[in-house]
Amino acid sequence: GQNIDQPTEMTATEGAIVQINCTYQTSGFNGLFWYQQHAGEAPTFLSYNVLDGLEEKGRFSSFLSRSKGYSYLLLKELQMKDSASYLCAVNPRGGGYQKVTFGIGTKLQVIP
Amino acid sequence: DAGVTQSPTHLIKTRGQHVTLRCSPISGHKSVSWYQQVLGQGPQFIFQYYEKEERGRGNFPDRFSARQFPNYSSELNVNALLLGDSALYLCASSLTLGTPNTGELFFGEGSRLTVL
Repeated sequence: GQNIDQPTEMTATEGAIVQINCTYQTSGFNGLFWYQQHAGEAPTFLSYNVLDGLEEKGRFSSFLSRSKGYSYLLLKELQMKDSASYLCAVNPRGGGYQKVTFGIGTKLQVIP
Repeated sequence: DAGVTQSPTHLIKTRGQHVTLRCSPISGHKSVSWYQQVLGQGPQFIFQYYEKEERGRGNFPDRFSARQFPNYSSELNVNALLLGDSALYLCASSLTLGTPNTGELFFGEGSRLTVL
């Protein structure tokens, strides 16, 4: 099975940088997703890391260390609209199907 | 292009009733997955269907069932509703079953079910 840990809540200031950490334990691993979910809305895709290292996409970057079972999402130049929940999710290997397992989500509040 | 569409968007049922939720995947996507998201939690995997066959099932009771049609749309059925079934039910489509380098899930807006 999979076990995913991420902080439940974080607060950061507009214009600042925030890092949301995620640790996971899994019996099989293909990659790790980050999704953004605004209250009452569906999750939207942010990133997918398969290999170790940092991937940058505009203001958002995601890092993965497979050996450490660790990932983080880095948000730069925070905007008020970034207030949302950020879901870390593991894409497992094996079983012949895709049972993506999500963490509880980190609720980020951006304050002026 | 249309994204993943789900219906109904909101519904209220009473305990013991059954419900059918519907999902149309992105055109060309053959895989549909269903997730349950209880308030304050991350989505929990219920089913995955690919090419009209059930390919995976999460830890949900037999009251939950689903099917996929020849046009790749899907239905989720829940019988004998319990209060604890109140949740946002998300449908996600993907191009394939998911390989190491692919497998992004595209989510619909969800069906919010309230059981009274």
